[in-house]
Amino acid sequence: ETGVTQTPRHLVMGMTNKKSLKCEQHLGHNAMYWYKQSAKKPLELMFVYNFKEQTENNSVPSRFSPECPNSSHLFLHLHTLQPEDSALYLCASSQDPIAGGSGEQYFGPGTRLTVT
Amino acid sequence: AQSVSQHNHHVILSEAASLELGCNYSYGGTVNLFWYVQYPGQHLQLLLKYFSGDPLVKGIKGFEAEFIKSKFSFNLRKPSVQWSDTAEYFCAVGSGNTGKLIFGQGTTLQVKP
Repeated sequence: ETGVTQTPRHLVMGMTNKKSLKCEQHLGHNAMYWYKQSAKKPLELMFVYNFKEQTENNSVPSRFSPECPNSSHLFLHLHTLQPEDSALYLCASSQDPIAGGSGEQYFGPGTRLTVT
Repeated sequence: AQSVSQHNHHVILSEAASLELGCNYSYGGTVNLFWYVQYPGQHLQLLLKYFSGDPLVKGIKGFEAEFIKSKFSFNLRKPSVQWSDTAEYFCAVGSGNTGKLIFGQGTTLQVKP
């Protein structure tokens, strides 16, 4: 399954580092999402982009900064993270229902982030 | 606010046993309903979905789910589980006119051979 790809798959970073997560979708979708998946907790929606415009920021701390240069690419820029930010970060894409899509989301494999 | 509740956090079954995982949601409008599965080491995959029509939907690998509007439920079922069904299962609800999904906390299914 290569519809949604994410790089890197694993990342270890210190609290003072700056790094970026990348997501690319090859499905022609117009909506992209970032989720945080922590153990024993539901998937937490972080950001939503529709047609490159951010339509949702779910009270995410400013140390997470998303960027969507086009409908196929989504980045998550990370700086001065905390150990509690360690988690699996998932990217997803869908065809927006307003544009006639079903809302079904397709997920990438995730980036396993460890903050030391 | 919308919410999704999965009643079973961890389920252990023997092969050939029947499975039912509960999912209830709170939202008064039109909803789209999904079950996703995450096999060990793999990404989230769609198992089945309900948008409209027959409330009993069939998905991949012999799974099915029934939408009961009056109970705000969308329970997942499989008559006979296999060891390969060991995975984490997530129920998700989307409103009819947005792409946003709300996920339940997930149910870990362990099938013993």
